[in-house]
Amino acid sequence: QVQLQASGPGLVKPSGTLSLTCAVSGDSISSSNRWTWVRQPPGKGLEWIGQIYHSGTTNYNPSLKGRVVISVDRSNNQFSLRLNSVTAADTAVYYCARVFWGSAYYFDYWGLGTLVTVSS
Amino acid sequence: SYELTQPPSVSVSPGQTASITCSGDKLGDKFACWYQQKSGLSPVLVVYQSTKRPSGIPERFSGSNSGNTATLTISGTQAMDEADYYCQAWDSGNWVFGGGTRLTVL
Repeated sequence: QVQLQASGPGLVKPSGTLSLTCAVSGDSISSSNRWTWVRQPPGKGLEWIGQIYHSGTTNYNPSLKGRVVISVDRSNNQFSLRLNSVTAADTAVYYCARVFWGSAYYFDYWGLGTLVTVSS
Repeated sequence: SYELTQPPSVSVSPGQTASITCSGDKLGDKFACWYQQKSGLSPVLVVYQSTKRPSGIPERFSGSNSGNTATLTISGTQAMDEADYYCQAWDSGNWVFGGGTRLTVL
């Protein structure tokens, strides 16, 4: 069974950098699948942040491009998110998920989500 | 940028059929996915490739996709189906989510 667990600071100061790591078990980060981050501000809908392939190839939400970097750590079977210059609008529950990438594409396994609050 | 539009809310009586729509330009030419999210929990995939159901998802969940509209249909809706539902599609190298629909079973 594939499991994902996000971890990182729950509080980030405005203008600072949000950093999260997602540990993957039950699948290799080097498989044919992609790995993605999604966020959900309190009381609002889902927003896709970006995804990465183990080769390092990335796709990012255009609305966040320039502030976001997703990277992969093959040795530890995990991937990470960095979001720069954060504001209160970046306060959200952040989810990591696996993107099944085959004859179809979809987010089949999700982590539990971690709340990150941007506040001084 | 590509957009997907969902109704904010849908209500249904127990045992009846609920239909949740998702509209986007030529959405029928893409694969749509649907996710169910219950309060405080992570989203769960209920339909992928527009019409397919993952293992473990009840048969009462089904999907269709044609023209500009994808539809999630829940037949014989149960109280446990009350949740937020999100459609999703892949367009030009980006994933796009709809704004979500709150399904109320009353």
